[in-house]
Amino acid sequence: DAKTTQPPSMDCAEGRAANLPCNHSTISGNEYVYWYRQIHSQGPQYIIHGLKNNETNEMASLIITEDRKSSTLILPHATLRDTAVYYCIVRVVGGSYIPTFGRGTSLIVHP
Amino acid sequence: NAGVTQTPKFQVLKTGQSMTLQCAQDMNHNSMYWYRQDPGMGLRLIYYSASEGTTDKGEVPNGYNVSRLNKREFSLRLESAAPSQTSVYFCASSEAGQDVQPQHFGDGTRLSIL
Repeated sequence: DAKTTQPPSMDCAEGRAANLPCNHSTISGNEYVYWYRQIHSQGPQYIIHGLKNNETNEMASLIITEDRKSSTLILPHATLRDTAVYYCIVRVVGGSYIPTFGRGTSLIVHP
Repeated sequence: NAGVTQTPKFQVLKTGQSMTLQCAQDMNHNSMYWYRQDPGMGLRLIYYSASEGTTDKGEVPNGYNVSRLNKREFSLRLESAAPSQTSVYFCASSEAGQDVQPQHFGDGTRLSIL
């Protein structure tokens, strides 16, 4: 599976959009991009995933560049409860799944 | 729905003691995983089980053993605990094969070894 690079920390004002970037320049054609988040002391929580098209669900939107070498997770109206560590991972579906979670991005949403 | 349940939630051991961390999932998932997370770090894979009856080493397997008891349960055993194994342990499960479904995590076991 390809590796990912994320900024260690970001902050955002409550009510504003939070845009979390992820670089996955070595991604291959059959690898999906997944986003999880981990609120302090809890287990990671799945947010969204995509292959090449932009995706949206009730939690967030995922924008994947046309060359698929990077993506952005968008929390459209961040709240204080969105303060968490956000992990971007890539994985091949159908192969041996050994997902790697790096240090992620620590997002702090402030009032 | 309980999802992934881990027991115990907290445990303190003395060096050299043994214990088993339990994990059970009720989503009929084929694959199960054990991770550890040290302060300020990401999750590191210890062992995983792609399907009932199979187990494989992950990134940091030394000092641990696992048992896939049945499709629901996947246990992690520390035979002789060491202070370096002080960590938070997370269990996860997912579908396998061609399915794109994500992993589901438990709330962790916080283990301290003195």
